[in-house]
Amino acid sequence: DSGVTQTPKHLITATGQRVTLRCSPRSGDLSVYWYQQSLDQGLQFLIQYYNGEERAKGNILERFSAQQFPDLHSELNLSSLELGDSALYFCASSPRTSGVSYEQYFGPGTRLTVT
Amino acid sequence: GQNIDQPTEMTATEGAIVQINCTYQTSGFNGLFWYQQHAGEAPTFLSYNVLDGLEEKGRFSSFLSRSKGYSYLLLKELQMKDSASYLCAVRAPSGGSYIPTFGRGTSLIVHP
Repeated sequence: DSGVTQTPKHLITATGQRVTLRCSPRSGDLSVYWYQQSLDQGLQFLIQYYNGEERAKGNILERFSAQQFPDLHSELNLSSLELGDSALYFCASSPRTSGVSYEQYFGPGTRLTVT
Repeated sequence: GQNIDQPTEMTATEGAIVQINCTYQTSGFNGLFWYQQHAGEAPTFLSYNVLDGLEEKGRFSSFLSRSKGYSYLLLKELQMKDSASYLCAVRAPSGGSYIPTFGRGTSLIVHP
């Protein structure tokens, strides 16, 4: 158990809908990362937040957005869902965004199925 | 852009040693990670290299050569539970920050 929690574990929804994925980082970790993992694309970095502020952006679609709240939990919002958005979405946390070690602790993931 | 290459699949025998290679071409470099991922589970951190050389941690070691854009993960005394996907990831500058780029992963199958 990494200490990172994600809800829900599974989500099935229809095309065109909007969903929200939630992540609680390990106690004390200020940095949260979101990743998408699909069979054809591998693990793709989406976005990073550090202490409530957006720190880095990867291959995140405009239909997707995220935020980190004052209590440090984070939400990833996916809208106008398409079949191709079906994937495993992981959240990871780390103690800092700079420094010697950048070890990330991954949550169990949310499996999103768009039908 | 960033490009990371790893073999798709490898097989090895229980008790043996296996080396998983990773080559990368990135715009800038700020460290290389190795993660282990069992099917349907989250990746777990194995190692981090930012300087050239070998980092040893128990049965696992990771090597980095920045001039060659090359790393390997060495697994010794293989156990059946080592059957998993091994992900190589490079941290590189992007837009004023640093972002990780992952390879597609190497599926390691350990057989008796």
